[in-house]
Amino acid sequence: NAGVTQTPKFQVLKTGQSMTLQCAQDMNHEYMSWYRQDPGMGLRLIHYSVGAGITDQGEVPNGYNVSRSTTEDFPLRLLSAAPSQTSVYFCASSSAVWEPQHFGDGTRLSIL
Amino acid sequence: ILNVEQSPQSLHVQEGDSTNFTCSFPSSNFYALHWYRWETAKSPEALFVMTLNGDEKKKGRISATLNTKEGYSYLYIKGSQPEDSATYLCAFDREAGNMLTFGGGTRLMVKP
Repeated sequence: NAGVTQTPKFQVLKTGQSMTLQCAQDMNHEYMSWYRQDPGMGLRLIHYSVGAGITDQGEVPNGYNVSRSTTEDFPLRLLSAAPSQTSVYFCASSSAVWEPQHFGDGTRLSIL
Repeated sequence: ILNVEQSPQSLHVQEGDSTNFTCSFPSSNFYALHWYRWETAKSPEALFVMTLNGDEKKKGRISATLNTKEGYSYLYIKGSQPEDSATYLCAFDREAGNMLTFGGGTRLMVKP
């Protein structure tokens, strides 16, 4: 039972580099979200999707892009990494709006 | 930016004590209130999703109540155990889109 799988678990980037954080779920969930977790800030929503082909911005979308070409995958792209994007990133999925979210194990990203 | 506040920020109790935390959220445009348990080095795990004013949910020694008119929810833990030590997060869903705004969490430490 894989659930929500995030890769990589750890990554170090240099300022200006780009990369994609992967998120895949095998539960056929329509709803998927990306959060970042910073000390003292709690979890903040970056982008979310209510189904394949549909995405929208959350609270802190600047510097990130997403796409949802399949139900299973919801990658998060950093276009030009900045030190302010150093954080722990969590992907989550849910089967319905009244159902709880299932979280991946997180990706710890450091940008130098 | 929505204001979801949790209090206290941290709490130390003795094994066997009962305790409770508060989550405050906007009383307008309410759809659902989520509670999650987050252990160190793990990902958040769902406890409850509550949608109706007056809802009460229970899972073992943990229970929660919801007041949407005044914008608060209480989480209760009866007879705390060391394994209850974790950060407890609440999250407010305002538009039935699974777009969650999280509070900063209450960190509970239970001493044996």
